[in-house]
Amino acid sequence: DADVTQTPRNRITKTGKRIMLECSQTKGHDRMYWYRQDPGLGLRLIYYSFDVKDINKGEISDGYSVSRQAQAKFSLSLESAIPNQTALYFCATSDVQGARNEQFFGPGTRLTVL
Amino acid sequence: AQTVTQSQPEMSVQEAETVTLSCTYDTSENNYYLFWYKQPPSRQMILVIRQEAYKQQNATENRFSVNFQKAAKSFSLKISDSQLGDTAMYFCAFMKASYDKVIFGPGTSLSVIP
Repeated sequence: DADVTQTPRNRITKTGKRIMLECSQTKGHDRMYWYRQDPGLGLRLIYYSFDVKDINKGEISDGYSVSRQAQAKFSLSLESAIPNQTALYFCATSDVQGARNEQFFGPGTRLTVL
Repeated sequence: AQTVTQSQPEMSVQEAETVTLSCTYDTSENNYYLFWYKQPPSRQMILVIRQEAYKQQNATENRFSVNFQKAAKSFSLKISDSQLGDTAMYFCAFMKASYDKVIFGPGTSLSVIP
């Protein structure tokens, strides 16, 4: 019973297509994040949201957009996918009231843009 | 801006031996949190250990411990009695005490050899 889920887990698409990656959480956390992981670069922050009405750009937001539909849902969109957006994408949540200030990650979405 | 550096892209260790992974960071903040996350081949991100900068005592979690040198801005992870299940990517991460976003290093790939 995963607390943070991502759909799809894997996706292959073509250049120019619009893609949406979805994230849902049952942890009741206010804060949600989208990262992309590339070999040798670690995880880089795309967008983050501290509540439903608060959306912030991360370090690599160009080419991406997000929607916080509810406290539990945070979607990432690629309006027109390009090959260098091929990466592993992670959603994460956090609770600043938590004892460990920990981020809880979903299982990741492997996206390939041809 | 904060940065996190991991200078060892790959490391290996014999089973049951001890290994130390290095991490350095750059910040002008005085209060912050540091983390080590583990990503096994399953790609799930798992928090291994955390350190609060205002605490001088190094954190310990079972076989995992850190050497936190605040003045040197160094945060190394020591894994004792290495096990095959420790094979994973390890990411060092930084977060300001204002509970802002988390900055990740590029990662170190650790292989435990039987």
